[in-house]
Amino acid sequence: DAGVIQSPRHEVTEMGQEVTLRCKPISGHNSLFWYRQTMMRGLELLIYFNNNVPIDDSGMPEDRFSAKMPNASFSTLKIQPSEPRDSAVYFCASSREGLAGGANTGELFFGEGSRLTVL
Amino acid sequence: AQSVAQPEDQVNVAEGNPLTVKCTYSVSGNPYLFWYVQYPNRGLQFLLKYITGDNLVKGSYGFEAEFNKSQTSFHLKKPSALVSDSALYFCAVSDTGTASKLTFGTGTRLQVTL
Repeated sequence: DAGVIQSPRHEVTEMGQEVTLRCKPISGHNSLFWYRQTMMRGLELLIYFNNNVPIDDSGMPEDRFSAKMPNASFSTLKIQPSEPRDSAVYFCASSREGLAGGANTGELFFGEGSRLTVL
Repeated sequence: AQSVAQPEDQVNVAEGNPLTVKCTYSVSGNPYLFWYVQYPNRGLQFLLKYITGDNLVKGSYGFEAEFNKSQTSFHLKKPSALVSDSALYFCAVSDTGTASKLTFGTGTRLQVTL
């Protein structure tokens, strides 16, 4: 089975440009997560969706960040305008969620990440 | 708010020796606890979890972890380390209210040498 697919793997852009990161979750998974990883702050949850609906976006840094999930097989994370401090590795993860405490609780499948460098 | 502490940035172990990677947690309700591993330039991979039941949890690649409620700890262990275990290990926590909304620790780099 294909895992979580992210694109692009690497992105270098200049400050002020729009950046769009893409994610295809594992087929049949109903939850999708966007994380950001930096040396300074570690892994931060930005937003997560359940059944294509945003459930918690409290980790989204500011209005420059937006995320969408138009259908069960695709999500985007957009940064506009981008700033150097947005440089990080952005991970998408998906899971098959059932009842809290159920067999699949917390078992996230991560993509290989999109490394973003904003100059 | 839930949080996880991994007190060691790096753990060095000789191959064949037992290893322990430490993790303590803080949650308001009953904890769900997880360990993930990250190899260079890869995403995180699930290793094991504690939800309820037996305090000793066994996971992938011979790893296990013990849930200790009184010490609020969930240390990762392996009886005999391999060089191929060298990677970055993350502890994570959620609770019955947040389920899969995981909060990750800062990670511990495990270096296993010959």
